[in-house]
Amino acid sequence: EVQLVETGGGLVQPGRSLKLSCVASGFTFNNYWMSWTRQAPGKGLEWVASITNSGGSTYYPDSVKGRFTISRDNAQNTLYLQMNSLRSEDTATYYCTRAWLGAFDYWGQGVMVTVSS
Amino acid sequence: DIQMTQSPASLSASLGETVTIECRASEDIYNGLAWYQQKPGKSPQLLIYNANSLHTGVPSRFSGSGSGTQYSLKINSLQSEDVASYFCQQYYDYLTFGSGTKLEIK
Repeated sequence: EVQLVETGGGLVQPGRSLKLSCVASGFTFNNYWMSWTRQAPGKGLEWVASITNSGGSTYYPDSVKGRFTISRDNAQNTLYLQMNSLRSEDTATYYCTRAWLGAFDYWGQGVMVTVSS
Repeated sequence: DIQMTQSPASLSASLGETVTIECRASEDIYNGLAWYQQKPGKSPQLLIYNANSLHTGVPSRFSGSGSGTQYSLKINSLQSEDVASYFCQQYYDYLTFGSGTKLEIK
């Protein structure tokens, strides 16, 4: 059974940093691109970052480019999201997602990040 | 950037009815489109990929169609467990989601 379990969320002050982790199980992790997607409270979905299966290439929307960094450790079946210079508009539930043919076929349960002073 | 315009924002229908949700892309996305269902308090789940392919385990009352810039999700014989928000997503050029449709039972 595919499982994606996110950790690392919490309350953080504006301008500070936070690192999310996602431990994957039930599939061959290094065969798949992985992504992070977020959802602000009561709002829609926003893609945040993607990484190729080898970790050699990464992709971001303009809203987080230069502030967020996606990475992975294939030996540990773990995906990361380093978030720097956090802003109030980054407050959201962050989902770890597995990419398959471009779509996201599995989602984690999500982890809440609140940016507030 | 490709923009996705989803409609309607909300929808109320009776049990057994057929409902349709639409997404329009700002440019041709060559069937690089997925549909997701998100039940209250839960993570989204993939329903449809490549515009019209049903994901494993998804009931056959869900179907996707479209091409070019216009795509739709149809739900036949609406059931109570279909109460959810639905999102489209293009993955032809980077990734963009539609704004979502909240489906309720009348």
